[in-house]
Amino acid sequence: AQKVTQTQTSISVVEKTTVTMDCVYETRDSSYFLFWYKQTASGEIVFLIRQDSYKKENATVGHYSLNFQKPKSSIGLIITATQIEDSAVYFCAMRGDTNTGKLTFGDGTVLTVKP
Amino acid sequence: EAAVTQSPRNKVAVTGGKVTLSCNQTNNHNNMYWYRQDTGHGLRLIHYSYGAGSTEKGDIPDGYKASRPSQENFSLILELATPSQTSVYFCASGDWGRGQNTLYFGAGTRLSVL
Repeated sequence: AQKVTQTQTSISVVEKTTVTMDCVYETRDSSYFLFWYKQTASGEIVFLIRQDSYKKENATVGHYSLNFQKPKSSIGLIITATQIEDSAVYFCAMRGDTNTGKLTFGDGTVLTVKP
Repeated sequence: EAAVTQSPRNKVAVTGGKVTLSCNQTNNHNNMYWYRQDTGHGLRLIHYSYGAGSTEKGDIPDGYKASRPSQENFSLILELATPSQTSVYFCASGDWGRGQNTLYFGAGTRLSVL
């Protein structure tokens, strides 16, 4: 069975700084996909960024980037130049190499960005 | 932009009653999913579907049934609701391998079972 662990329950940063959120995963699949989602205060869940396990380059989208360390089964989310509106809960998730498309989620990290 | 609509947004039910949560997607996605989210936790998969007429058990299916009568609609059914099913329920849809490599989530349904 797959497992996703986010050890940081909450993080607080000052705006315009860089924050890194940690995530480690367990899987027996040789190919897999890793995701980060953001859940806003309203409850909306929004897809942020994805890393395919066979790709060596770290994914980057806007001010979100990933630190993919495959030997450590780790996929960190890096947010640069944080803004107040980045305050949210961030979930790490993974999908194995099957056609079910099931996502397994971590418990989330609460990010608070302060002025 | 994918659109997934859930109804109702809020529901109060009595223990032992029947509850039906509905989900509609307008993007012709084959796959649909029902997750529940409990306070301080991530999402856990209840049921999912590959297309009209199909339903599959997820990781925590006990106490829930699902129905996929059409490509667009996917329902979650609690035949005998219990207080332990008080939670926020999210529906999602997606089509892996068709250039859409993520799931799109609805806004959630907050269910309270008293």
